[in-house]
Amino acid sequence: ILNVEQSPQSLHVQEGDSTNFTCSFPSSNFYALHWYRWETAKSPEALFVMTLNGDEKKKGRISATLNTKEGYSYLYIKGSQPEDSATYLCALLMYSGGGADGLTFGKGTHLIIQP
Amino acid sequence: DTEVTQTPKHLVMGMTNKKSLKCEQHMGHRAMYWYKQKAKKPPELMFVYSYEKLSINESVPSRFSPECPNSSLLNLHLHALQPEDSALYLCASSQSTYNSPLHFGNGTRLTVT
Repeated sequence: ILNVEQSPQSLHVQEGDSTNFTCSFPSSNFYALHWYRWETAKSPEALFVMTLNGDEKKKGRISATLNTKEGYSYLYIKGSQPEDSATYLCALLMYSGGGADGLTFGKGTHLIIQP
Repeated sequence: DTEVTQTPKHLVMGMTNKKSLKCEQHMGHRAMYWYKQKAKKPPELMFVYSYEKLSINESVPSRFSPECPNSSLLNLHLHALQPEDSALYLCASSQSTYNSPLHFGNGTRLTVT
């Protein structure tokens, strides 16, 4: 069983504060790491796909870093807004000889922004 | 609005029923996926189709039968399900199975009585 761990499980943040959370994964046979945002009553929305060790990606106030050697990725949100409230999922794509497997998701970090 | 359309949004079925879930995308994506998601758990991969061929079947029971009639459509045929199969079934598509982000539908909420 592939373990993709996310922490914390849930997080309450004051509006305007910055925050970050972690995704940990096995570093062997790494292919790609995805981040998704899942708002209630909507479908998961892709934020980033990261493949290279040391990768940093940014989309507005949200950014992510990747360390494939030690098996972790951080997601950062700067100046949190109420619309950032969602569950943030990371997902791992591993290489398995014949190609890439399907994505394995973590349980997510449930982020609540308090006005 | 999502570009991946799933129907129906909700489905209630008995254990002896046969039903199908449908998924459609018109983005020209060549990979399509079925995921199952139960409350407080992550989405769990069921099937992957790549270029209309089944490339991954994650040991899913045979009461779930996927079908990809063409590159835009993905079906999940259901027969003799159990109450524990009640879940949110998510369809997704991507340009390829490598490095491309997944585009998800809104899901079908399935209840088996």
